[in-house]
This record gives sequence, structure tokens and C-alpha cells, in this order.
Amino acid sequence: GESVGLHLPTLSVQEGDNSIINCAYSNSASDYFIWYKQESGKGPQFIIDIRSNMDKRQGQRVTVLLNKTVKHLSLQIAATQPGDSAVYFCAEDYTGTASKLTFGTGTRLQVTL
Amino acid sequence: NAGVTQTPKFQVLKTGQSMTLQCAQDMNHEYMSWYRQDPGMGLRLIHYSVGAGITDQGEVPNGYNVSRSTTEDFPLRLLSAAPSQTSVYFCASSYEAAGEQFFGPGTRLTVL
Repeated sequence: GESVGLHLPTLSVQEGDNSIINCAYSNSASDYFIWYKQESGKGPQFIIDIRSNMDKRQGQRVTVLLNKTVKHLSLQIAATQPGDSAVYFCAEDYTGTASKLTFGTGTRLQVTL
Repeated sequence: NAGVTQTPKFQVLKTGQSMTLQCAQDMNHEYMSWYRQDPGMGLRLIHYSVGAGITDQGEVPNGYNVSRSTTEDFPLRLLSAAPSQTSVYFCASSYEAAGEQFFGPGTRLTVL
């Protein structure tokens, strides 16, 4: 069935370093992907999205890479800051919209000083 | 703008009780949705709506009802609460289904 998973449940990164959070998805029909950040006690916050006709998209300090051949998604955060500490979720959708999102289980990013 | 608001923040129910979780947004968003988040898991879609008067089921709709009589409000009703419905519930909205979703702060529900 459809599933979205993450390779690392916890990622510890030193402040100033770059972070890479990985995600594997199993539904080859998925055509829309989103990364969310969730801080403790809060709702998820949209970070960046990418469609299947792209393999890279950049935002402010973040880059999402999509490799459809191996069904892999990654989120790169440049110059990681303490405020980046949170749980990060990838989500996929096969409808081309966000109306049928399937979320991964999340990766906790810990930024050490 | 208040964004997406949810009430209550916390709720404890007994098995068999019914209740309504409220969700409202003041951004004139057409698309609204409800998710539940269980420990160690990602969010799972319960129901969603693409506009007033239109609702559809998500991944885990059983035991929940929704209605969308106005653009602003999207309440989630638990018909007969069960311990398996203990979870954190998030409401989200976006201008359109493919747009950036804005999430509310969540309602933590415990069913005893």
C-alpha cells in the first residue's frame, strides 16, 4: 500500500552545519510532495513543496530534492540554527494536490550549540 | 488575522460520549481538512472539504462526521467516543487543495 517513511528518527546537528533529512516513499503514482516542520505543542508548519516534474526546489535556507527513480525525497537545511530544532515530516499525494496527503512518521532534528 | 483556530485545546471524554471539535479560519480559504496525530506517527487525514457544502472522506473517517455550512467553519463530530480516538486533532486550511496548508494549534483529546 501507500506509505511514506523516514530513514532516521533522530538527527543531531551542530549549529551552523547543514542538515539533511531523508524520506522514502513507496507510491510511484505520487506527484506532489511537501515538507512540514512541527515544533513541540504546535501544529505542522509548511516548509516547502515540490511536484514530480521537478527534481529540485529551493527556498530560504532550504532545498528539497526529489529522486523519482529511487522514490526518495530529502530536505536540506543550510546553516542550521537552534530554531530549526523540531520534528520534520514529509508527505506525499497522488492527486496532484494536498487533498489526500500521506505523512511519514517524522524525524526529530536536534541542533547542538 | 487569527489564522486557524481550534477549540477546545484539551478535552477528556468517557467512552460513548459525543462531542464536536471546532475549527474556524478567517483567511477565506476554500479547502479545509481534519487530521489526527498519534504518538510516533505522522498525521492521518480524517475528512476534508473543498468548499462550503462539499465534504469527503480521508484515510481514517470511521467514527467521525463533518459538515461545511460556511466557508469559515469546519466542525468535526465524534458520534460515540472510543479509547482508540484518543489523539491530537489538527485542523488545516488552504486557499486551494494544492496550496500551502495552515494548521491550527491542535486539540488534545483523551477518551477514557
